[in-house]
Amino acid sequence: QQQVKQSPQSLIVQKGGISIINCAYENTAFDYFPWYQQFPGKGPALLIAIRPDVSEKKEGRFTISFNKSAKQFSLHIMDSQPGDSATYFCAASMIPYGNKLVFGAGTILRVKS
Amino acid sequence: ETGVTQSPTHLIKTRGQQVTLRCSSQSGHNTVSWYQQALGQGPQFIFQYYREEENGRGNFPPRFSGLQFPNYSSELNVNALELDDSALYLCASSLGGASGSQETQYFGPGTRLLVL
Repeated sequence: QQQVKQSPQSLIVQKGGISIINCAYENTAFDYFPWYQQFPGKGPALLIAIRPDVSEKKEGRFTISFNKSAKQFSLHIMDSQPGDSATYFCAASMIPYGNKLVFGAGTILRVKS
Repeated sequence: ETGVTQSPTHLIKTRGQQVTLRCSSQSGHNTVSWYQQALGQGPQFIFQYYREEENGRGNFPPRFSGLQFPNYSSELNVNALELDDSALYLCASSLGGASGSQETQYFGPGTRLLVL
Protein backbone atom coordinates (compact mmCIF):
# COMPACT_ATOMS: atom_id res chain seq x y z
CA GLN A 1 0.00 0.00 0.00
CA GLN A 2 3.00 2.24 0.38
CA GLN A 3 4.17 1.80 -3.21
CA VAL A 4 4.16 4.36 -5.95
CA LYS A 5 4.40 2.84 -9.44
CA GLN A 6 5.97 4.95 -12.17
CA SER A 7 6.07 4.50 -15.93
CA PRO A 8 7.71 4.47 -18.38
CA GLN A 9 11.16 3.47 -17.18
CA SER A 10 12.74 5.54 -19.96
CA LEU A 11 11.52 8.00 -22.55
CA ILE A 12 13.00 9.59 -25.66
CA VAL A 13 11.34 12.75 -26.96
CA GLN A 14 12.20 15.10 -29.79
CA LYS A 15 13.02 18.70 -28.96
CA GLY A 16 9.79 20.69 -28.79
CA GLY A 17 7.69 17.62 -28.08
CA ILE A 18 5.62 16.71 -25.01
CA SER A 19 7.06 14.37 -22.38
CA ILE A 20 4.51 12.46 -20.29
CA ILE A 21 5.35 10.42 -17.19
CA ASN A 22 2.70 8.56 -15.21
CA CYS A 23 2.41 7.42 -11.61
CA ALA A 24 -0.12 5.40 -9.66
CA TYR A 25 -0.54 4.94 -5.90
CA GLU A 26 -2.60 2.75 -3.57
CA ASN A 27 -2.64 4.53 -0.21
CA THR A 28 -5.59 6.93 -0.18
CA ALA A 29 -4.11 8.67 2.87
CA PHE A 30 -1.43 10.27 0.69
CA ASP A 31 -2.09 14.00 0.46
CA TYR A 32 0.99 15.46 -1.20
CA PHE A 33 2.37 14.50 -4.61
CA PRO A 34 5.66 16.09 -5.71
CA TRP A 35 7.78 15.53 -8.77
CA TYR A 36 11.54 15.67 -8.47
CA GLN A 37 14.18 16.13 -11.16
CA GLN A 38 17.62 14.61 -10.71
CA PHE A 39 20.72 15.20 -12.80
CA PRO A 40 23.70 12.82 -12.64
CA GLY A 41 25.78 13.39 -9.51
CA LYS A 42 23.19 15.66 -7.94
CA GLY A 43 20.43 15.28 -5.37
CA PRO A 44 16.77 15.42 -6.42
CA ALA A 45 15.34 18.92 -6.86
CA LEU A 46 11.65 19.71 -6.44
CA LEU A 47 10.04 20.51 -9.77
CA ILE A 48 6.35 20.88 -9.01
CA ALA A 49 3.89 19.45 -6.49
CA ILE A 50 0.14 19.06 -6.07
CA ARG A 51 -2.36 18.43 -3.28
CA PRO A 52 -5.42 16.22 -3.96
CA ASP A 53 -7.91 19.08 -3.76
CA VAL A 54 -7.01 20.22 -7.31
CA SER A 55 -6.97 18.26 -10.57
CA GLU A 56 -4.25 20.19 -12.36
CA LYS A 57 -1.35 22.49 -11.56
CA LYS A 58 0.82 24.30 -14.08
CA GLU A 59 4.17 25.99 -13.59
CA GLY A 60 5.80 27.21 -16.77
CA ARG A 61 6.29 24.23 -19.10
CA PHE A 62 5.51 21.70 -16.36
CA THR A 63 1.99 20.49 -15.57
CA ILE A 64 0.74 17.91 -13.06
CA SER A 65 -2.58 16.23 -13.81
CA PHE A 66 -4.19 14.48 -10.83
CA ASN A 67 -7.01 11.92 -10.92
CA LYS A 68 -8.07 11.17 -7.34
CA SER A 69 -10.66 8.51 -8.21
CA ALA A 70 -8.16 6.57 -10.33
CA LYS A 71 -5.33 7.19 -7.85
CA GLN A 72 -3.10 8.37 -10.66
CA PHE A 73 -1.10 11.48 -11.42
CA SER A 74 1.12 12.49 -14.29
CA LEU A 75 3.77 15.02 -15.27
CA HIS A 76 3.61 16.74 -18.65
CA ILE A 77 6.63 18.64 -19.93
CA MET A 78 5.63 20.90 -22.81
CA ASP A 79 8.12 22.07 -25.45
CA SER A 80 10.71 19.62 -24.11
CA GLN A 81 14.31 20.84 -24.34
CA PRO A 82 17.66 18.99 -24.28
CA GLY A 83 18.32 20.61 -20.89
CA ASP A 84 15.31 18.69 -19.55
CA SER A 85 17.22 15.42 -20.03
CA ALA A 86 17.36 13.99 -16.51
CA THR A 87 15.77 11.36 -14.28
CA TYR A 88 12.30 12.24 -13.00
CA PHE A 89 10.78 10.81 -9.84
CA CYS A 90 7.21 11.02 -8.66
CA ALA A 91 6.60 10.74 -4.95
CA ALA A 92 3.78 10.73 -2.43
CA SER A 93 3.52 11.45 1.27
CA MET A 94 1.23 12.32 4.15
CA ILE A 95 1.93 15.84 5.33
CA PRO A 96 0.51 15.43 8.86
CA TYR A 97 2.75 12.41 9.44
CA GLY A 98 6.06 14.13 8.79
CA ASN A 99 5.93 14.17 5.01
CA LYS A 100 8.08 11.06 4.56
CA LEU A 101 8.34 10.68 0.82
CA VAL A 102 7.60 7.41 -0.99
CA PHE A 103 9.27 7.58 -4.40
CA GLY A 104 8.57 5.90 -7.69
CA ALA A 105 11.37 4.05 -9.46
CA GLY A 106 12.16 6.94 -11.79
CA THR A 107 11.97 7.75 -15.50
CA ILE A 108 15.08 8.55 -17.52
CA LEU A 109 14.14 11.26 -20.01
CA ARG A 110 16.26 12.03 -23.03
CA VAL A 111 15.32 14.94 -25.25
CA LYS A 112 16.89 14.73 -28.70
CA SER A 113 17.89 17.95 -30.40
CA GLU B 1 20.50 31.19 2.38
CA THR B 2 22.76 28.12 2.57
CA GLY B 3 21.56 24.92 0.93
CA VAL B 4 21.81 21.38 2.23
CA THR B 5 25.37 20.09 2.34
CA GLN B 6 26.65 16.55 2.86
CA SER B 7 30.03 15.08 3.59
CA PRO B 8 31.95 13.23 2.42
CA THR B 9 31.00 13.17 -1.26
CA HIS B 10 32.40 9.69 -1.82
CA LEU B 11 33.44 6.90 0.50
CA ILE B 12 34.82 3.39 0.06
CA LYS B 13 34.52 0.87 2.90
CA THR B 14 34.88 -2.87 3.29
CA ARG B 15 32.23 -5.28 4.49
CA GLY B 16 31.82 -5.29 8.27
CA GLN B 17 33.13 -1.76 8.78
CA GLN B 18 31.20 1.16 10.20
CA VAL B 19 30.52 4.50 8.48
CA THR B 20 29.28 7.94 9.53
CA LEU B 21 27.75 10.34 7.03
CA ARG B 22 27.04 13.99 7.80
CA CYS B 23 24.42 16.48 6.74
CA SER B 24 24.01 20.19 7.37
CA SER B 25 20.44 21.31 6.94
CA GLN B 26 19.32 24.43 5.14
CA SER B 27 19.28 27.55 7.27
CA GLY B 28 16.09 27.78 9.33
CA HIS B 29 15.11 24.11 8.87
CA ASN B 30 14.59 21.87 11.90
CA THR B 31 13.79 18.54 10.24
CA VAL B 32 16.20 16.18 8.49
CA SER B 33 15.21 13.06 6.58
CA TRP B 34 17.64 10.44 5.27
CA TYR B 35 17.10 8.38 2.13
CA GLN B 36 19.02 5.55 0.47
CA GLN B 37 19.11 5.54 -3.32
CA ALA B 38 20.43 2.34 -4.90
CA LEU B 39 21.66 2.57 -8.47
CA GLY B 40 18.79 2.93 -10.93
CA GLN B 41 16.14 3.17 -8.21
CA GLY B 42 14.18 5.84 -6.42
CA PRO B 43 15.22 7.03 -2.95
CA GLN B 44 13.99 4.91 -0.01
CA PHE B 45 13.12 6.58 3.29
CA ILE B 46 15.45 5.55 6.14
CA PHE B 47 14.40 7.82 9.04
CA GLN B 48 13.58 11.38 9.98
CA TYR B 49 14.70 13.62 12.83
CA TYR B 50 12.64 16.54 14.11
CA ARG B 51 14.13 18.77 16.82
CA GLU B 52 16.69 16.09 17.78
CA GLU B 53 14.13 13.27 18.13
CA GLU B 54 13.55 10.39 15.69
CA ASN B 55 10.22 11.03 14.00
CA GLY B 56 9.57 7.91 11.98
CA ARG B 57 11.61 5.13 10.45
CA GLY B 58 11.42 3.19 7.22
CA ASN B 59 12.07 -0.49 6.66
CA PHE B 60 15.76 -0.47 7.58
CA PRO B 61 17.51 -2.65 10.22
CA PRO B 62 18.74 -1.23 13.55
CA ARG B 63 22.34 -1.10 12.30
CA PHE B 64 21.18 2.09 10.55
CA SER B 65 21.08 4.77 13.23
CA GLY B 66 21.11 8.53 13.35
CA LEU B 67 21.50 11.67 15.38
CA GLN B 68 20.39 15.24 15.11
CA PHE B 69 22.31 17.98 16.87
CA PRO B 70 21.07 21.23 18.48
CA ASN B 71 22.03 23.15 15.33
CA TYR B 72 19.82 20.65 13.39
CA SER B 73 22.69 19.09 11.50
CA SER B 74 22.53 15.31 11.39
CA GLU B 75 24.54 12.11 11.14
CA LEU B 76 23.69 8.74 9.65
CA ASN B 77 25.63 5.80 11.07
CA VAL B 78 25.71 2.37 9.50
CA ASN B 79 27.31 -0.53 11.39
CA ALA B 80 28.42 -3.91 10.06
CA LEU B 81 28.37 -2.75 6.44
CA GLU B 82 27.05 -5.16 3.83
CA LEU B 83 27.65 -5.14 0.08
CA ASP B 84 24.00 -4.15 -0.48
CA ASP B 85 24.58 -0.95 1.49
CA SER B 86 26.40 0.45 -1.54
CA ALA B 87 24.22 3.39 -2.60
CA LEU B 88 23.82 7.14 -2.73
CA TYR B 89 22.75 8.42 0.69
CA LEU B 90 20.67 11.57 0.54
CA CYS B 91 19.59 13.88 3.28
CA ALA B 92 16.75 16.33 2.93
CA SER B 93 15.87 19.21 5.19
CA SER B 94 12.54 20.88 5.75
CA LEU B 95 10.75 23.08 8.24
CA GLY B 96 8.60 21.01 10.56
CA GLY B 97 5.81 22.19 12.80
CA ALA B 98 3.64 20.78 15.55
CA SER B 99 1.31 19.17 13.01
CA GLY B 100 4.02 17.80 10.72
CA SER B 101 6.45 18.98 8.14
CA GLN B 102 5.88 21.68 5.62
CA GLU B 103 5.68 20.40 2.11
CA THR B 104 9.02 21.12 0.51
CA GLN B 105 12.02 18.94 1.25
CA TYR B 106 15.34 20.21 -0.05
CA PHE B 107 17.87 17.51 -0.88
CA GLY B 108 21.62 17.61 -0.58
CA PRO B 109 23.92 16.24 -3.29
CA GLY B 110 24.36 12.94 -1.46
CA THR B 111 27.22 10.75 -0.31
CA ARG B 112 28.16 7.90 -2.64
CA LEU B 113 29.08 4.85 -0.52
CA LEU B 114 30.78 1.83 -2.02
CA VAL B 115 31.14 -1.30 0.11
CA LEU B 116 33.70 -3.84 -1.10
